[in-house]
This record gives sequence, structure tokens and C-alpha cells, in this order.
Amino acid sequence: DTEVTQTPKHLVMGMTNKKSLKCEQHMGHRAMYWYKQKAKKPPELMFVYSYEKLSINESVPSRFSPECPNSSLLNLHLHALQPEDSALYLCASSPASDFQETQYFGPGTRLLVL
Amino acid sequence: RKEVEQDPGPFNVPEGATVAFNCTYSNSASQSFFWYRQDCRKEPKLLMSVYSSGNEDGRFTAQLNRASQYISLLIRDSKLSDSATYLCVVNGYAGKSTFGDGTTLTVKP
Repeated sequence: DTEVTQTPKHLVMGMTNKKSLKCEQHMGHRAMYWYKQKAKKPPELMFVYSYEKLSINESVPSRFSPECPNSSLLNLHLHALQPEDSALYLCASSPASDFQETQYFGPGTRLLVL
Repeated sequence: RKEVEQDPGPFNVPEGATVAFNCTYSNSASQSFFWYRQDCRKEPKLLMSVYSSGNEDGRFTAQLNRASQYISLLIRDSKLSDSATYLCVVNGYAGKSTFGDGTTLTVKP
């Protein structure tokens, strides 16, 4: 099973809402990632978890809060977002702790902030 | 200067053509290299890993030149289904992956 799943597929939220994005993989991967992708732009790394610990935060605003409850799950909690945060949010995982192996991407959550 | 730079494209080629993309990276300590393909409104999917010895998968050939800090992707006998955006990805330490801006390929009948 080489699949990363993400829910929801689409999300519309107001600037005062709190919502969460979920990502799951059952490949035994020990590194998981959140990316943000705007239209016609490449994915931009937001966070990296290694062995359930946050290893990279690319200076992401605190209105985005990641959480890794266990080795298979990765959440992104959203609060007080701005319209410019509207984007495709991609989760990825990779097998090795040295991060040199392929990343497998989920289908993404399309977020619209009104 | 961007950490990873790709040919800007777009590339519009007829079926059966051979097309080559290049990508340069600025960090000589970069560890691993990949080409991904992304279809419209879909997630990136791995096309190939890239090694110094070069690797080939059917119509696709990837090459890494560490001395000149570039990677390349060659597609032979282009098919309509090859139309997509091709992203080069460079991995540094500790999970930091940097994507190029992508090159859009359109293969026409």
C-alpha cells in the first residue's frame, strides 16, 4: 500500500474558524511533511516530522499548527487564517530517517479562506 | 538566486519528439535529486530518482552532474500522456526539499 490519504478533499472556512487537515499513511514511513502549493507554483515546504518529532518549521505563521499524534498520522490545525492562505495543502511521507528517499504525496486538501 | 532553477518553458512538442529539461542547484552539499511529474490539479508523483551514474526507465533518462550542479531529464518518443508539469527536487539535510518552479510540457498530435 503506497498511499497517503488526506481529508477533507476540499475545505471552505471563514477567517474566524478553526479547522484541521488530516493525513494518514500506513507504509511504515518515519518522516512526514506538510507543503503549501499556490496555483502555478511549486510546493513550498512548511513542516517536517521525523519519528513523530517536529524537525523543521519553515518560519510558518503560528495560525498553522502541526501535530503528529503517532507515526501514521499528521494533522495541520488551522486558526484565524487569511484569504492569502487559500491554497492546496499537500502531505507527504518518506521511508527513511535520513530523508534521502522518495517522498510520496497525498492528493491534497484544497483550502479556500473567505 | 534561487536554490533550484529550471528551464522556464513551456515546451510544446509534437508526438514522437525528444525533449530535454535541465535544472541547476546552488547548494553543493545537496544530497539527493528527483524528477516529479504533476498533472493539473493533482499531487506530484515521482518520475525518477537521479544518480551520478545516470538512470533510464523506458523512454525517460535522468542524469546528475555534481561538478556543474545540474540535473537533466530526457524524454524520447513523446506521447500525448507525457503532457504535464515536470518538477525537479533537490534534497538537502534534515528533510529540507526544494522544488524547482516546474517546466510545463505539452505534447501535441
